[in-house]
Amino acid sequence: NAGVTQTPKFRVLKTGQSMTLLCAQDMNHEYMYWYRQDPGMGLRLIHYSVGEGTTAKGEVPDGYNVSRLKKQNFLLGLESAAPSQTSVYFCASNNDLGYEKLFFGSGTQLSVL
Amino acid sequence: AQTVTQSQPEMSVQEAETVTLSCTYDTSESDYYLFWYKQPPSRQMILVIRQEAYKQQNATENRFSVNFQKAAKSFSLKISDSQLGDAAMYFCAYCSNYKLTFGKGTLLTVNP
Repeated sequence: NAGVTQTPKFRVLKTGQSMTLLCAQDMNHEYMYWYRQDPGMGLRLIHYSVGEGTTAKGEVPDGYNVSRLKKQNFLLGLESAAPSQTSVYFCASNNDLGYEKLFFGSGTQLSVL
Repeated sequence: AQTVTQSQPEMSVQEAETVTLSCTYDTSESDYYLFWYKQPPSRQMILVIRQEAYKQQNATENRFSVNFQKAAKSFSLKISDSQLGDAAMYFCAYCSNYKLTFGKGTLLTVNP
């Protein structure tokens, strides 16, 4: 039972490079989320999706884009990476509007040099 | 916008003792949910306990319990009989309209 799987687990980018983080869940969850975690800042919501084909902005969406073409996948893209995007990124999902617990992936450590 | 405040960046407790982590939140909503999540060094996010705002009874999960004061917008976590495995970062979180807002966390150290 895989749950929520994030790939890659680690990545180093140079400023200006682009990349896509993939989140896959096998629990048939409707709702999926991308968070970033920075020291002393807790987790902050980047984008979220309430169903296949939908996306919405969270608290810190600038510099990121997302897509939810398939229900089980939620992609987070960085078009032109900046050092300020160095962070740990977490994907999460659930099936009850966030009122039940979130199922988290194991995180992606991204460094932008 | 909703905010969640954890006023204790770090706390420490002796093994087998009790510790309370503080959390306050700001909201104009009447219906919402509150959570405590634990993040050990493995980085995995683990749900510790959940409280529905419409319930007056405080939630409990084994050694973990909360003191939910709705009028004061306070949601503290009490860990009884602390164990070495309780050492972690603890995040308080507020949920309304399917968006979860986290506090900045409290790092709990458990001393043997």
